[in-house]
Amino acid sequence: GQSLEQPSEVTAVEGAIVQINCTYQTSGFYGLSWYQQHDGGAPTFLSYNGLDGLEETGRFSSFLSRSDSYGYLLLQELQMKDSASYFCAVKQDSGAGSYQLTFGKGTKLSVIP
Amino acid sequence: GAGVSQSPSNKVTEKGKDVELRCDPISGHTALYWYRQSLGQGLEFLIYFQGNSAPDKSGLPSDRFSAERTGGSVSTLTIQRTQQEDSAVYLCASSWGVDTQYFGPGTRLTVL
Repeated sequence: GQSLEQPSEVTAVEGAIVQINCTYQTSGFYGLSWYQQHDGGAPTFLSYNGLDGLEETGRFSSFLSRSDSYGYLLLQELQMKDSASYFCAVKQDSGAGSYQLTFGKGTKLSVIP
Repeated sequence: GAGVSQSPSNKVTEKGKDVELRCDPISGHTALYWYRQSLGQGLEFLIYFQGNSAPDKSGLPSDRFSAERTGGSVSTLTIQRTQQEDSAVYLCASSWGVDTQYFGPGTRLTVL
């Protein structure tokens, strides 16, 4: 089977840095994605790591260590609008050339003044 | 171009009735996914269509759930004999591959 673990809630101060961790256990692992979802909204893609290391996109960075089955999303210079749920998702080979994303339960980030 | 659209945005039905949810993916996207999200929970994979290949139905929770994709574009998710536990937001996503999925706004289903 497969499982993803991420903290259910995180609170951080505006302007600070926050790291959201994700550990996974899965077969056929290809890569790790991160999605952001505001309350009442649809998930939107943030980043994808197919290789070990750090990917940076503006204030957001994502890291993957395949040997540790671990990744994280790093948000810098936090803004109030960053308050949302953040989901890690594993891309995995489900067989016969088919791939799918398995999502974690999400981390609710609250940014406070 | 237009994003993924879903209809209806909200659906209230009585237990035991059938419902159909529609998804219009981004034009040209070969992959289409259906997910279910209960309040405050993560996304539960339901079914995946890729081009003309047979769909991956491994996430469908019961045989009351089915989906089809006509002409490689529009998809319909059908839930027969709805139950109260089917109440959730049903999200559709499309993509060229799996790395980046573009989600629609979802259909909020309430079964009374």
